[in-house]
Amino acid sequence: SQQGEEDPQALSIQEGENATMNCSYKTSINNLQWYRQNSGRGLVHLILIRSNEREKHSGRLRVTLDTSKKSSSLLITASRAADTASYFCATDEVDAGGTSYGKLTFGQGTILTVHP
Amino acid sequence: DGGITQSPKYLFRKEGQNVTLSCEQNLNHDAMYWYRQDPGQGLRLIYYSQIVNDFQKGDIAEGYSVSREKKESFPLTVTSAQKNPTAFYLCASRTGRFTGELFFGEGSRLTVL
Repeated sequence: SQQGEEDPQALSIQEGENATMNCSYKTSINNLQWYRQNSGRGLVHLILIRSNEREKHSGRLRVTLDTSKKSSSLLITASRAADTASYFCATDEVDAGGTSYGKLTFGQGTILTVHP
Repeated sequence: DGGITQSPKYLFRKEGQNVTLSCEQNLNHDAMYWYRQDPGQGLRLIYYSQIVNDFQKGDIAEGYSVSREKKESFPLTVTSAQKNPTAFYLCASRTGRFTGELFFGEGSRLTVL
């Protein structure tokens, strides 16, 4: 089963605009991660946010996490054509006692297209 | 250079044949993972291993098998029991068994003729 569901499925913007992608998940987690994938390539890690964190920044990336709503968002500011890629959230699930399974599951992804 | 190497990059197979995809890492990572990706879709977890000689089924393990005899190697066999094996297969590893970022290989694209 897919843990994360990204929204929107596809996003098309102009260079310089901001891009926001959302991720919802179903179970308890100890962290949530965002990855990027260029077409036909492996994924590259962007940022990790722990379950006790609410917001994290890295360069032009801003991630928020709301564990009460089981959702996260990824904001890319001042987008560039080179940001065109698919973006995925991934979650590290834990059991009811907070013990991790070591199982990292991914959502369906958001396809971002940035037009020059 | 440290990293994860998947081979072959492209593989064609006839129906009814087993095929083994290689995944090797020289990052000294404990945990390794296999994912399947279908066109326009997310990644689905096939198998994962947190330590040598141990592995767990993911969400879509049926028709696949793995071994973890060495820390640096985690081969995936796609058996003839897998009904729809044509897909892009991604291997990944990470330092921590239960947390941390994944490092991915470049993938293997399997096509069944």
